[in-house]
Amino acid sequence: LAKTTQPISMDSYEGQEVNITCSHNNIATNDYITWYQQFPSQGPRFIIQGYKTKVTNEVASLFIPADRKSSTLSLPRVSLSDTAVYYCLVGVRGKLIFGQGTELSVKP
Amino acid sequence: EAGVVQSPRYKIIEKKQPVAFWCNPISGHNTLYWYLQNLGQGPELLIRYENEEAVDDSQLPKDRFSAERLKGVDSTLKIQPAELGDSAVYLCASSLGGGAANTGELFFGEGSRLTVL
Repeated sequence: LAKTTQPISMDSYEGQEVNITCSHNNIATNDYITWYQQFPSQGPRFIIQGYKTKVTNEVASLFIPADRKSSTLSLPRVSLSDTAVYYCLVGVRGKLIFGQGTELSVKP
Repeated sequence: EAGVVQSPRYKIIEKKQPVAFWCNPISGHNTLYWYLQNLGQGPELLIRYENEEAVDDSQLPKDRFSAERLKGVDSTLKIQPAELGDSAVYLCASSLGGGAANTGELFFGEGSRLTVL
């Protein structure tokens, strides 16, 4: 099965925009792309989901190019409380695969 | 509305002992998932249920792991006998949708942390 690939870690400062990219070369035609946030000692929490182009909600935006082989989670104006691990989830050939996760550290 | 409830939150056992984890999904969610998460890694799917039926258990080590979802609601994951390498967090999740194509939105419990000595 194809793996999803994300940067292992990223650093940012409060108030900045953060973009995290996930590669998923073998995504299936009908699969959706979903991003989750996880704090220590908690289960992952849904952030946003999309199929193509751009999706925006109250906390993030998701950009998906036409070939759908990657996606970018955009967090506007991050705060200290956004420090967490962010996972990219795609349904590949019927299986659900989490990415390695990106550990985002937001500094004051 | 209550979220996904798991118990116990923590469990410490000696190797070769049995252990069981329980999950109560969100009311009305017909799809239930068990994931395993090792430290510093993403969750890995063990088994997925659609109502009472295990529709994907290909990643479940069936020699020592078993799961059931009686009446299509609560679920139990069992390990017997436990090995040192089973130390991890076991996460349960549920969702309204499922199927092979659309993951839908998964709601996770807080997890059960297992330590095997």
